[in-house]
Amino acid sequence: EDKVVQSPLSLVVHEGDTVTLNCSYEVTNFRSLLWYKQEKKAPTFLFMLTSSGIEKKSGRLSSILDKKELFSILNITATQTGDSAVYLCAVEARGSGYALNFGKGTSLLVTP
Amino acid sequence: DGGITQSPKYLFRKEGQNVTLSCEQNLNHDAMYWYRQDPGQGLRLIYYSQIVNDFQKGDIAEGYSVSREKKESFPLTVTSAQKNPTAFYLCASSIGHNTEAFFGQGTRLTVV
Repeated sequence: EDKVVQSPLSLVVHEGDTVTLNCSYEVTNFRSLLWYKQEKKAPTFLFMLTSSGIEKKSGRLSSILDKKELFSILNITATQTGDSAVYLCAVEARGSGYALNFGKGTSLLVTP
Repeated sequence: DGGITQSPKYLFRKEGQNVTLSCEQNLNHDAMYWYRQDPGQGLRLIYYSQIVNDFQKGDIAEGYSVSREKKESFPLTVTSAQKNPTAFYLCASSIGHNTEAFFGQGTRLTVV
């Protein structure tokens, strides 16, 4: 059975801190790993990773994939209160019709 | 504007009633999905469809049914056989594999 495990499940930090969110996976026929941010309703896309060791970066957010160790991290530097959200990791595998298998998410709260 | 529209945003249902959640997209995407989100559970796949007139069961399909008569539309029916239907339902679509999925704003269903 495919599994996606995120850690920690929740996190509270102060503005300006740097955080690292973890995602490990066990899937058959891996295709890609995606990160989403969910603030209230619709998850919004952050990154898609398909190759090991290549960092994707967008402003203060960055992410990298290790296909040998089967995990990914999402880093947020100089956190702001607007970064408070649930961060979802999802994996696409062959045989599931492009559907994404999600982890339970990490709930991040950034306090002023 | 291109996007995915789910309706209604909030839905109340009496026990024993069937209810249908609407999902429409104008992104010209072939693939569409339904997920259920419960607190602390992440997103779980109910049904997915890769093409018109074809759909497949996801991990938690029992008590749900779908149709895909048009490319733009993928309605989900929550039947009386679903034992615990109170949840947040998200519809998504994508072009195909190794592409991001776009999400609607969700429908919160409450059984009273």
